[in-house]
Amino acid sequence: DVKVTQSSRYLVKRTGEKVFLECVQDMDHENMFWYRQDPGLGLRLIYFSYDVKMKEKGDIPEGYSVSREKKERFSLILESASTNQTSMYLCASNPEGGAGTDTQYFGPGTRLTVL
Amino acid sequence: RKEVEQDPGPFNVPEGATVAFNCTYSNSASQSFFWYRQDCRKEPKLLMSVYSSGNEDGRFTAQLNRASQYISLLIRDSKLSDSATYLCVVNGRGNNRLAFGKGNQVVVIP
Repeated sequence: DVKVTQSSRYLVKRTGEKVFLECVQDMDHENMFWYRQDPGLGLRLIYFSYDVKMKEKGDIPEGYSVSREKKERFSLILESASTNQTSMYLCASNPEGGAGTDTQYFGPGTRLTVL
Repeated sequence: RKEVEQDPGPFNVPEGATVAFNCTYSNSASQSFFWYRQDCRKEPKLLMSVYSSGNEDGRFTAQLNRASQYISLLIRDSKLSDSATYLCVVNGRGNNRLAFGKGNQVVVIP
């Protein structure tokens, strides 16, 4: 069974803090993704990575950065958290061959509140 | 036009009834199509892939209409446990990127 884990289920931070969200997958997948999900807006892609040290911007990368130093781990960084980054953050992964050939497997999500 | 469009509902369905909904997509070059299920406050999980010839998995049937650029999901004999949001997902942009609809919320009523 594919397992994607995220470091926290719930997180509360203050405006201006630096926030790290960690995601780990145990299936040796090449591709990893970070989304945020907001009511009425659906899932939106922030960043994705198709290999170690590689990253690509998604639809809404502003205010975020990512790090992929190891294949199994993909980190999302909020350099200076703002209240409009309050959201549910979902990490996903899939193997090489991409979204066209294989489904994405999601972690349980981190519900981040920025006060 | 949005990449993937769904009517959010909610779709209130009596237990045992049949419910069907569609999703339209804008990129005619899209190659892969999926339905995901998302329970309240949980992550999305793959329900089924959608193939050109249509496919069925128990009480669930998915269809693809490339000419009109829509996919559909039909749930027969609805159970209370079918209450969830059903996300239409399309691979339309390459580079491993999926486009997600906002979901169809289904509420099965006893």
